[in-house]
Amino acid sequence: EIVMTESPPTLSVSPGERVTLSCRASQSVSIDLAWYQQKAGQAPRLLIYGAFHRASGVPTRFSGSGSGTDFTLTISSLQSEDFAVYYCQQYNNWPWTFGQGTKVDIK
Amino acid sequence: EVDLVESGGGLVQPGGSLRLSCAASGLSVSETYMSWVRQSPGKGLEWVSVFYRDGDTYYANSVKGRFTIYRDNSKNTLFLQMNSLTAEDTALYYCAGDSAAGRIFRWGRGTLVTVSS
Repeated sequence: EIVMTESPPTLSVSPGERVTLSCRASQSVSIDLAWYQQKAGQAPRLLIYGAFHRASGVPTRFSGSGSGTDFTLTISSLQSEDFAVYYCQQYNNWPWTFGQGTKVDIK
Repeated sequence: EVDLVESGGGLVQPGGSLRLSCAASGLSVSETYMSWVRQSPGKGLEWVSVFYRDGDTYYANSVKGRFTIYRDNSKNTLFLQMNSLTAEDTALYYCAGDSAAGRIFRWGRGTLVTVSS
């Protein structure tokens, strides 16, 4: 099973700041990597798939990069509605696995 | 508009069984990669099972042999039959779907399963 590790576990940020979240896979997953955003009491929301493709309706301030084992989700200018938990997930190899999440909260 | 509505969760004793249902509207379960994903405070998000469009099914090692995913195309509904439940299966179970394997664009609101004596 591929283990996904996200860092940092928590990030305290001010609105308007640039945010970079990291995700590392225990073995190569090529670009079969997705990012999700989850707010309290809601289901996760797909942001990025294929490492860098934005899902339908996702603002352009969200971008993904990376391949192989190291990936990044960048939020260019954090908005108030972006405070949430972010998860990466690989789908290169079954079982598809999620990271433990990075919580982005208000500084 | 796409909607996935789960039902069937509840409190069950260890060793018991439950069947979860996911009624879909706005998409066809037979033409969509349909999954069950669960979330618990201790174990985070876990992909439980996926039903491919071509009929192939896959299970997490933690549920293999105990859970069965199946669909009723005539009712446009996805199911998860869960047997031999343990406390480790306690979680919020989401029904989910996408046009491609491996990612999830559509999510239900979840149904809570609690395994406890």
